Amino acid sequence: TQLLEQSPQFLSIQEGENLTVYCNSSSVFSSLQWYRQEPGEGPVLLVTVVTGGEVKKLKRLTFQFGDARKDSSLHITAAQPGDTGLYLCAAFYFNKFYFGSGTKLNVKP
Amino acid sequence: ETGVTQTPRHLVMGMTNKKSLKCEQHLGHNAMYWYKQSAKKPLELMFVYSLEERVENNSVPSRFSPECPNSSHLFLHLHTLQPEDSALYLCASSHVGGNGNQPQHFGDGTRLSIL
Repeated sequence: TQLLEQSPQFLSIQEGENLTVYCNSSSVFSSLQWYRQEPGEGPVLLVTVVTGGEVKKLKRLTFQFGDARKDSSLHITAAQPGDTGLYLCAAFYFNKFYFGSGTKLNVKP
Repeated sequence: ETGVTQTPRHLVMGMTNKKSLKCEQHLGHNAMYWYKQSAKKPLELMFVYSLEERVENNSVPSRFSPECPNSSHLFLHLHTLQPEDSALYLCASSHVGGNGNQPQHFGDGTRLSIL
């Protein structure tokens, strides 16, 4: 089993729809990061959440860190084709950096 | 030039060849990483160098040999690879220290194909 479980694994939606992806664990983290990886490129950091219950917004993207700091969600409002990519959550745990398996999002025009 | 640069972007090699992947970071970071990303697997951490010392080697076969001559450069030397080694190899760097929560900055990877 992985330290960070992401769901869904794949998501294909129409432009304008809303969606939420999840990153879950049974472990507690001091912080958690979200990355987006576009085809042919490396992952790029979107946000770091640190405080339990914290909500951060990045334009149409809303990130939430669970109260118990074990899970996180990413909500995208009115998805656009430019949001297409692989969304990865990541966290430090006992001085090691772990990535989730990712959610592959395809937004169709 | 800024960020993390990987060369080459694409590499096709036979199983008996020897080649090297190169990574260079211009961010002043003190840690560098090699990851393997396959189509149906999550990112796999291969090696970690912190302050130019290898601090992690995640059971990677000896046909992969990393080298970190200084804090800005990282190499992955390849020899006698297998077809299952075909993947995207990503390099990353970060600053290690303090609260240890510094994000990783990635290059765009080398797409490796083994014939």
